[in-house]
Amino acid sequence: EAEVAQSPRYKITEKSQAVAFWCDPISGHATLYWYRQILGQGPELLVQFQDESVVDDSQLPKDRFSAERLKGVDSTLKIQPAELGDSAMYLCASSLDTFYGYTFGSGTRLTVV
Amino acid sequence: AQSVTQLDSQVPVFEEAPVELRCNYSSSVSVYLFWYVQYPNQGLQLLLKYLSGSTLVKGINGFEAEFNKSQTSFHLRKPSVHISDTAEYFCAVSVRNNDMRFGAGTRLTVKP
Repeated sequence: EAEVAQSPRYKITEKSQAVAFWCDPISGHATLYWYRQILGQGPELLVQFQDESVVDDSQLPKDRFSAERLKGVDSTLKIQPAELGDSAMYLCASSLDTFYGYTFGSGTRLTVV
Repeated sequence: AQSVTQLDSQVPVFEEAPVELRCNYSSSVSVYLFWYVQYPNQGLQLLLKYLSGSTLVKGINGFEAEFNKSQTSFHLRKPSVHISDTAEYFCAVSVRNNDMRFGAGTRLTVKP
């Protein structure tokens, strides 16, 4: 069964440092999403890509977060500088169409100390 | 914009008992509804979805959900739970080609 790959699984970083997460969606899935999930809460959308274009980044804190999907395949989410409040699970998902639901990766658990 | 409310943050239940996890949604247009399960330090796995048609939807692991348009609800049910069903469950709503909005989650704990 096809999977969404994410790395790393766990990341510990000091505040004010830079950190990056990588996501490889299911082959052929044009839509890619990055979600942030704070402990005890549901996932919240950070950014949505359609191929290489950003469709929605209204909830992305653009002063410190950036996301790219240069060739419309894999994607990178970056935080610089990291803050204590950024500690969360960062989930990547992809889909052919909302009609089919999303397939999620296993996530990256970020801890900022 | 669409939104989801999960009415119970925690549901404890004994093994082999039935369970219902409640979800209400809000939207001014037709929606798609989903239930996902999340095990500790894992991503979300799709349990079932309602797109249109029959209001009773069957999913994996013996779960089912019923769409009720008049009550704007999409409650998840299982007639007999197992220890392995202990996890976090998320209800989600989406409008076609827009992002999915998730509820805050319900922690199901199955006790022996």
